Amino acid sequence: TQLLEQSPQFLSIQEGENLTVYCNSSSVFSSLQWYRQEPGEGPVLLVTVVTGGEVKKLKRLTFQFGDARKDSSLHITAAQTGDTGLYLCAGHNQGGKLIFGQGTELSVKP
Amino acid sequence: DTGVSQDPRHKITKRGQNVTFRCDPISEHNRLYWYRQTLGQGPEFLTYFQNEAQLEKSRLLSDRFSAERPKGSFSTLEIQRTEQGDSAMYLCASRPGTSNTEAFFGQGTRLTVV
Repeated sequence: TQLLEQSPQFLSIQEGENLTVYCNSSSVFSSLQWYRQEPGEGPVLLVTVVTGGEVKKLKRLTFQFGDARKDSSLHITAAQTGDTGLYLCAGHNQGGKLIFGQGTELSVKP
Repeated sequence: DTGVSQDPRHKITKRGQNVTFRCDPISEHNRLYWYRQTLGQGPEFLTYFQNEAQLEKSRLLSDRFSAERPKGSFSTLEIQRTEQGDSAMYLCASRPGTSNTEAFFGQGTRLTVV
């Protein structure tokens, strides 16, 4: 069974601080995706990483895919209150199944 | 609106009743997924379809749960003899069949079993 372990599960920080969220698995995925979810809404895609070692940047967010394609990280620089939300990593396997990690609830306080 | 549509948005039912939810995916998306989500947790995989074929069903899913996608377009998820533990948000997502593409989610159906 493929599992994705996210850490930390909860994160509460002050505005302006940096943070990193981790997503780990013992399985290889063909790609990993990061989603953000607001209360009462479905998850919305932030980024897809496909190549081992790949780094993608989206404004203050930096995403990295591990060399072995088993893990990924999300780093946010100078967090803002608008970054508050549930961050989810998700992996595709070769068969097209999409599974999610447990999520990281981020709270950024002013 | 051409996004993923789920109906109803909210459902309150008595324990023991059957409920059915509907998902209309983005047209021409041949992959459709069902997930269950509780507050503050990631979506838990239930099942997925490629066109009308159900490719996998979670082993965590009891026999009270069944899903169909009869014509490869909309899908239904039925829960029989609901239990209080079934209370959750049920999310549907769709995506094209090509690799590594984005999954688009509906807003979910919130089920409360009383």
